Amino acid sequence: EDQVTQSPEALRLQEGESSSLNCSYTVSGLRGLFWYRQDPGKGPEFLFTLYSAGEEKEKERLKATLTKKESFLHITAPKPEDSATYLCAVQPPYNTDKLIFGTGTRLQVFP
Amino acid sequence: DAGVIQSPRHEVTEMGQEVTLRCKPISGHDYLFWYRQTMMRGLELLIYFNNNVPIDDSGMPEDRFSAKMPNASFSTLKIQPSEPRDSAVYFCASSRYRENTEAFFGQGTRLTVV
Repeated sequence: EDQVTQSPEALRLQEGESSSLNCSYTVSGLRGLFWYRQDPGKGPEFLFTLYSAGEEKEKERLKATLTKKESFLHITAPKPEDSATYLCAVQPPYNTDKLIFGTGTRLQVFP
Repeated sequence: DAGVIQSPRHEVTEMGQEVTLRCKPISGHDYLFWYRQTMMRGLELLIYFNNNVPIDDSGMPEDRFSAKMPNASFSTLKIQPSEPRDSAVYFCASSRYRENTEAFFGQGTRLTVV
């Protein structure tokens, strides 16, 4: 069964304390890997798509990387406004219309 | 564009009652997705449509769940009869392209069945 596992479940950081979130998957022949941000009471908001191992994408303090079995979301010098749940999703090769989501990492950044 | 619009934002109903959730996708988007989010299982795809036609409903948990898309600007997800285990946040999302890149999500409907 295709699975997406995110770790840690929750992460507390001091403002400026860099860290990484992990997303591992068992889908073979991955077509794409997506990162979303979700604020409380809101729907997920698209951040990045990665398609091949070695690919990297950046947006402000966030950088996403992809290997053959996992992806990392690196947060550099986070600010309190980066506090949110970060969701990872994979696009399987047998149905590129679908996304399989992980359960997310809840990030809290304290001033 | 106002984005994906869902209604109601919150719904509290008694077990056995019918519940209807509504969604207006972004104009010009050909794909519409219904998801359910719970703490235990995260975001699960229930059903999706392409050009108003249901493509895959394998995620719909039971026959109590049904979804329709009568036109390009409106979709409903109905639960009849509702049960306490249906309590969750239901999201509608739409995207322009087949490969589901950059799907835009609505604010969600928080359903509580008591």
